[in-house]
Amino acid sequence: AQKVTQAQTEISVVEKEDVTLDCVYETRDTTYYLFWYKQPPSGELVFLIRRNSFDEQNEISGRYSWNFQKSTSSFNFTITASQVVDSAVYFCALSELDTDKLIFGTGTRLQVFP
Amino acid sequence: DADVTQTPRNRITKTGKRIMLECSQTKGHDRMYWYRQDPGLGLRLIYYSFDVKDINKGEISDGYSVSRQAQAKFSLSLESAIPNQTALYFCATSHRGRGNQPQHFGDGTRLSIL
Repeated sequence: AQKVTQAQTEISVVEKEDVTLDCVYETRDTTYYLFWYKQPPSGELVFLIRRNSFDEQNEISGRYSWNFQKSTSSFNFTITASQVVDSAVYFCALSELDTDKLIFGTGTRLQVFP
Repeated sequence: DADVTQTPRNRITKTGKRIMLECSQTKGHDRMYWYRQDPGLGLRLIYYSFDVKDINKGEISDGYSVSRQAQAKFSLSLESAIPNQTALYFCATSHRGRGNQPQHFGDGTRLSIL
């Protein structure tokens, strides 16, 4: 069965600190996709990144970076030099090939204080 | 204008009432989904549709029904609402492409059942 675990329920940091959000997943398939979404206080869900199981290269987008490690079934998300605008709930999600159904983790609430 | 529009944005109703939540999209996507979000549980899939004649149950379909009236419209009904269906409901869309494509979410409908 598929499962996504985000063990960190809530993280608080001070602006400019680096922060890593953990995501661990379970799946029996060899082909699958991983996603991160951001839910700011306004409530909408914003797509951040998609990664397939064959691409283990880390990705960097501005202050955001993602570390995908199949050996540990993890897809962690790091925000460098955090800002108050990064305050949100972040969800990691998994889908198996061609089903498109997303299995979400329970989310990590990040609070960045000035 | 939003690409994925949900109506209403907020609704308060009483136990036993029939309720319909509507979703329309201008993205031209063929796949549409309904999720509910509960505090501490993340998002869970209720129903999904890959085209107009295709309807599939998700993880938590009991107590819900859906209708795909057109490619751009996907509505969710609660035939006889009960208080534990109080939640934030999201509609999402995606297109069929190479690999699993990201889902794009509406702004959500906050539903309270008294």
